[in-house]
Amino acid sequence: KQEVTQIPAALSVPEGENLVLNCSFTDSAIYNLQWFRQDPGKGLTSLLLIQSSQREQTSGRLNASLDKSSGRSTLYIAASQPGDSATYLCAVNGNMLTFGGGTRLMVKP
Amino acid sequence: DVKVTQSSRYLVKRTGEKVFLECVQDMDHENMFWYRQDPGLGLRLIYFSYDVKMKEKGDIPEGYSVSREKKERFSLILESASTNQTSMYLCASSPNPFYQPQHFGDGTRLSIL
Repeated sequence: KQEVTQIPAALSVPEGENLVLNCSFTDSAIYNLQWFRQDPGKGLTSLLLIQSSQREQTSGRLNASLDKSSGRSTLYIAASQPGDSATYLCAVNGNMLTFGGGTRLMVKP
Repeated sequence: DVKVTQSSRYLVKRTGEKVFLECVQDMDHENMFWYRQDPGLGLRLIYFSYDVKMKEKGDIPEGYSVSREKKERFSLILESASTNQTSMYLCASSPNPFYQPQHFGDGTRLSIL
């Protein structure tokens, strides 16, 4: 059964820092990996989707990488801003999405 | 933009009641999903549907059923609500979940008293 782990569970950084969120998964037989953002009490907003054949995807200040063979993905956030404060979830798509526990990010002004 | 609308943001019901959670998407997506989210347990898939009148069990279907009579609407039904079904419920849709992202609604926070 697929297991998805996100480290760290929580992260606090000063504004302007570049940061990396980590996601690891146990079964490399996946179709894609998706990163989401969730604000408190809200639903999930899709940030990036990386197909299993791809190595990375970029959107603005966000860059996600995928190393399927080692079961790892990273989400890189450049020049962090207070508005980036949220919980970030990765989800691995085998037959269905399996979610990690999330990383709660706080960016301090 | 894809719009997934859940009918209620907050809902309070009593144990034993039959509860309906409604979800509507406006992008003609084939696939729709129901998840619940609990602290410490993360998001877990309850049911999904890949076509009208089709349904498949997810990881935790016990105590729930679903209905998909029209392509745009996917309903989650709690047959006899219990307190352990107090949770945040999230609906999602996707044209093709193997290659395209799932889009989520804002969630329904359900409390069973």
